[in-house]
Amino acid sequence: AQTVTQSQPEMSVQEAETVTLSCTYDTSESDYYLFWYKQPPSRQMILVIRQEAYKQQNATENRFSVNFQKAAKSFSLKISDSQLGDAAMYFCAYRSMDSNYQLIWGAGTKLIIKP
Amino acid sequence: NAGVTQTPKFRILKIGQSMTLQCAQDMNHNYMYWYRQDPGMGLKLIYYSVGAGITDKGEVPNGYNVSRSTTEDFPLRLELAAPSQTSVYFCASSAFIAGSSYEQYFGPGTRLTVT
Repeated sequence: AQTVTQSQPEMSVQEAETVTLSCTYDTSESDYYLFWYKQPPSRQMILVIRQEAYKQQNATENRFSVNFQKAAKSFSLKISDSQLGDAAMYFCAYRSMDSNYQLIWGAGTKLIIKP
Repeated sequence: NAGVTQTPKFRILKIGQSMTLQCAQDMNHNYMYWYRQDPGMGLKLIYYSVGAGITDKGEVPNGYNVSRSTTEDFPLRLELAAPSQTSVYFCASSAFIAGSSYEQYFGPGTRLTVT
């Protein structure tokens, strides 16, 4: 069974600085999707970025980018120019290509932005 | 579009009571899901549905039931509520588009307390 691990329960960063959130996963599959979701205090789950495993190029969405290391089974999220609105819980999630119904979730990282 | 809506936002139940959490989506998505999120944890799948009339168990189905009589609605029933069911419940939906990431769209959640 696949597992997702986020080893940083909490991270803090100064406003306008860059921060990297870590995620590792375990799978025997060769193709799959990985996601980062943001959950602000409102509790709404918001998709930040997605990465398909067979694509070697790292995904980017404005100030958000990933460092996808398939061999190491690592999927970190980099947030550049951190803003106060980035403060939230961030969850890493895995979806198998064989399973179109379930996301496997990490425990989350709480990101604190210092003004 | 309203997206995914959930009612109620908050609820307090006494042990042994029953209730139904409502979920509706207006995006014509085939797939719908119910997750629970316990404090400090990621989401765990309770039940899912791949279309009207078809439901199946996820990782933590005990104590819950679902039905899917229409594409739009996917209610979650709690029978004989227990303190262990205190959690935040999220409903999500995704479209069936072959080759896509099956991105899941989430409702705002229902915070349930059982005392």
